[in-house]
Amino acid sequence: KQEVTQIPAALSVPEGENLVLNCSFTDSAIYNLQWFRQDPGKGLTSLLLIQSSQREQTSGRLNASLDKSSGRSTLYIAASQPGDSATYLCAVPLTQGGSEKLVFGKGTKLTVNP
Amino acid sequence: ETGVTQSPTHLIKTRGQQVTLRCSSQSGHNTVSWYQQALGQGPQFIFQYYREEENGRGNFPPRFSGLQFPNYSSELNVNALELDDSALYLCASSRTNLKQFFGPGTRLTVL
Repeated sequence: KQEVTQIPAALSVPEGENLVLNCSFTDSAIYNLQWFRQDPGKGLTSLLLIQSSQREQTSGRLNASLDKSSGRSTLYIAASQPGDSATYLCAVPLTQGGSEKLVFGKGTKLTVNP
Repeated sequence: ETGVTQSPTHLIKTRGQQVTLRCSSQSGHNTVSWYQQALGQGPQFIFQYYREEENGRGNFPPRFSGLQFPNYSSELNVNALELDDSALYLCASSRTNLKQFFGPGTRLTVL
């Protein structure tokens, strides 16, 4: 059974700080991992999708890494801004029969203080 | 290309009632998945529809049911509502087993 864990559950940092969010998964037989952003009461915005053949994926100030062997991924946010305040979720796909579902962690709630 | 849309945005029901939530998939997508997100939790997979057939189901009781239409839009129906059904319901569309794109969600409150 695939389980996804995110640490810490909440993080508060001052503006401008670099930070790392962590995601771990129990079954390393994944073919990709995705990081999402969720604003309060809103839907999910995909930030980065890393294929299992990749070790890193970058988009602007965001950098995500994937280490399948250790069952870990990190999301690095450089020079954080108040607008980065949101909940960040990681998810891995799980194929059962003919369907693919995403298994999510509970998320890390990030607050960036001006 | 339009994104995934959901309606209504939010609604309030009482225990025992029935509710229907709607989702319009992104253009060109043939698969729709539904997720339930309770407060402070990650989304949990309810079920997936592909070509109008249920294609996979999570650990949810039969009172959660769905439909997919020929235009690939979808409905989620919940009967005999319980207080614990209060959550954000998310719909995601995709091409077969490719990246899922999420809608803005429907906030359901059961009193």
